[in-house]
Amino acid sequence: AQTVTQSQPEMSVQEAETVTLSCTYDTSESNYYLFWYKQPPSRQMILVIRQEAYKQQNATENRFSVNFQKAAKSFSLKISDSQLGDTAMYFCAYGTYKYIFGTGTRLKVLA
Amino acid sequence: EAGVAQSPRYKIIEKRQSVAFWCNPISGHATLYWYQQILGQGPKLLIQFQNNGVVDDSQLPKDRFSAERLKGVDSTLKIQPAKLEDSAVYLCASTTRGGGANTGELFFGEGSRLTVL
Repeated sequence: AQTVTQSQPEMSVQEAETVTLSCTYDTSESNYYLFWYKQPPSRQMILVIRQEAYKQQNATENRFSVNFQKAAKSFSLKISDSQLGDTAMYFCAYGTYKYIFGTGTRLKVLA
Repeated sequence: EAGVAQSPRYKIIEKRQSVAFWCNPISGHATLYWYQQILGQGPKLLIQFQNNGVVDDSQLPKDRFSAERLKGVDSTLKIQPAKLEDSAVYLCASTTRGGGANTGELFFGEGSRLTVL
């Protein structure tokens, strides 16, 4: 069975600094998606970034980038130039036709 | 493009009462999911529909939870009778997978927050 593990329950970062959130997963599939979702307090879950497993190039979206290590089954999220609006729960997720989420990392950006 | 719609946003009930949540996915999305998110935890899949058929309901507590997706569009999740541990946010999500262009992205509604007293 597929699993997703986020080992950092909480993290904090100073505004404008860089932070990296960790995620590992386990699967026997060769083709899948990996995602980072953001859930602000009492607000809707939204997609931050997506990586297709068959692509070697790491995905980037503005200040957000991933380090995808397929052999190690690792998928970390780097947030550069952190902003107060980045404060949220971040969930790593694995998807084929079924989507499995990690337990989340609560990120607080400090002014 | 309209997003995933859910209602009600909030519901407070006594234990042993019943409650129903409604979800309307993004138009054209064949696959619909119901997740349970307990405070401080990640979403846990309850049931997955492909059109109007159930793909996976292995984690649905079938003695008290039921769900349907008539006509392959909107869906209803029911809890009867509710227990204290059912207090959670119930998230509905949809994706195009299996129904057209495959982006892989899961689109979420705002969720229905249930408090069982």
